[in-house]
Amino acid sequence: NAGVMQNPRHLVRRRGQEARLRCSPMKGHSHVYWYRQLPEEGLKFMVYLQKENIIDESGMPKERFSAEFPKEGPSILRIQQVVRGDSAAYFCASSPADRGGYYEQYFGPGTRLTVT
Amino acid sequence: AQSVTQPDIHITVSEGASLELRCNYSYGATPYLFWYVQSPGQGLQLLLKYFSGDTLVQGIKGFEAEFKRSQSSFNLRKPSVHWSDAAEYFCAVSRKGGGYNKLIFGAGTRLAVHP
Repeated sequence: NAGVMQNPRHLVRRRGQEARLRCSPMKGHSHVYWYRQLPEEGLKFMVYLQKENIIDESGMPKERFSAEFPKEGPSILRIQQVVRGDSAAYFCASSPADRGGYYEQYFGPGTRLTVT
Repeated sequence: AQSVTQPDIHITVSEGASLELRCNYSYGATPYLFWYVQSPGQGLQLLLKYFSGDTLVQGIKGFEAEFKRSQSSFNLRKPSVHWSDAAEYFCAVSRKGGGYNKLIFGAGTRLAVHP
């Protein structure tokens, strides 16, 4: 069973360009979380999605950032008009359906975004 | 507000020495508690978790952690450190039940191991 896959692993964008980060959850997992790790900091929650639904986006910046998890295909984190402060590692985690208990989140290897 | 504090940014120990990494949390009630390890350029791996019951929990790679409610702490320990334990360690919390489990992380403790 393949783990959580993220691509690309490294992404370089110039200021003002768009960045698209992809996350394929583990097989059978229908819940996806995105976290951002700024240099020398811990991970910060950004958004929680189920298939075709955004459940909690309380950690997402209000502008330029969006996320989706379509019925088919990977989850996408999109950053428009990137700025230097967006340079960070972006991690995706997936878990199976959550019925109010706890289901472990499995993390992908991350996408390291560098904005020049 | 919910928060996790890891007071030690960097720790250096000698191989074979014991290790304790500190973690304090601020939460409305007893949350779920976790320790994760991150090797350079890698994602996070779960070392252990506490939900309820016995306050001393065992994890992978010989790690254990003790939950102390009175101190709001969940310190990670290992009796004898190996060179391969050099990594960054994150303490995290999430709420119990009621839906999903977004994790709140501490800033991390970077562990260096001297031969």
